Amino acid sequence: QVQLQESGPGLVKASETLSLTCAVSGASISPYYWSWIRQPPGKGLEWIGHLSNSGSTNYNPSLKSRVTILVATSKNQFSLKLSSVTAADTAVYYCARAMPDHTFDIWGQGTMVTVSS
Amino acid sequence: EIVLTQSPGTLSLSPGERATLSCRASQSVTSNYLAWYQQKPGQAPRLLIQGASSRATGVPDRFSGSGSGTDFTLSISRLEPEDFAVYYCQQYGRSPITFGQGTRLEIK
Repeated sequence: QVQLQESGPGLVKASETLSLTCAVSGASISPYYWSWIRQPPGKGLEWIGHLSNSGSTNYNPSLKSRVTILVATSKNQFSLKLSSVTAADTAVYYCARAMPDHTFDIWGQGTMVTVSS
Repeated sequence: EIVLTQSPGTLSLSPGERATLSCRASQSVTSNYLAWYQQKPGQAPRLLIQGASSRATGVPDRFSGSGSGTDFTLSISRLEPEDFAVYYCQQYGRSPITFGQGTRLEIK
């Protein structure tokens, strides 16, 4: 059974960098795409970006200048870094597995990140 | 980017009734790359429908998807108590991947 688990600080100061890790268990990270998606409190879903099985990345243009998604294949993990955060970046952050057609079939439970001033 | 507009914002129905949720795209969705997700409070979204009409593994057959181009529909034939949740559509035919704003299905 494939499981994803996000981890990282729940509180980040404004202007600093948000860093999260997603641990993948029950499957190899190699054959799939791996995404980050976020959801501000009481609002809808926003795709942040993904990492392909070839190591290439694709980011939402609205966040592209601040986002980095990296893979640690040996650890079966991938990570998210979002720089220069503001209160607008406060959200639940989900990691998810994307099928080749980019539907998200498996999700982590999500982790709440609050940006404080 | 493709903007997805879902309607209605909130749908109030009773168990046993039929639900029809709409998702309209600002541009044609390539190859009907349109998915539907269900989200319950405090939980991650769950994939229901992909390719506009194919049910994901384990999804009951009371859920069905239809549509093409810019107009898509999620139907739930007979509502069960566990179906009351928020539903999102998602397009993945053109980057960036985008989601609709959601339809809340509540018990009447």
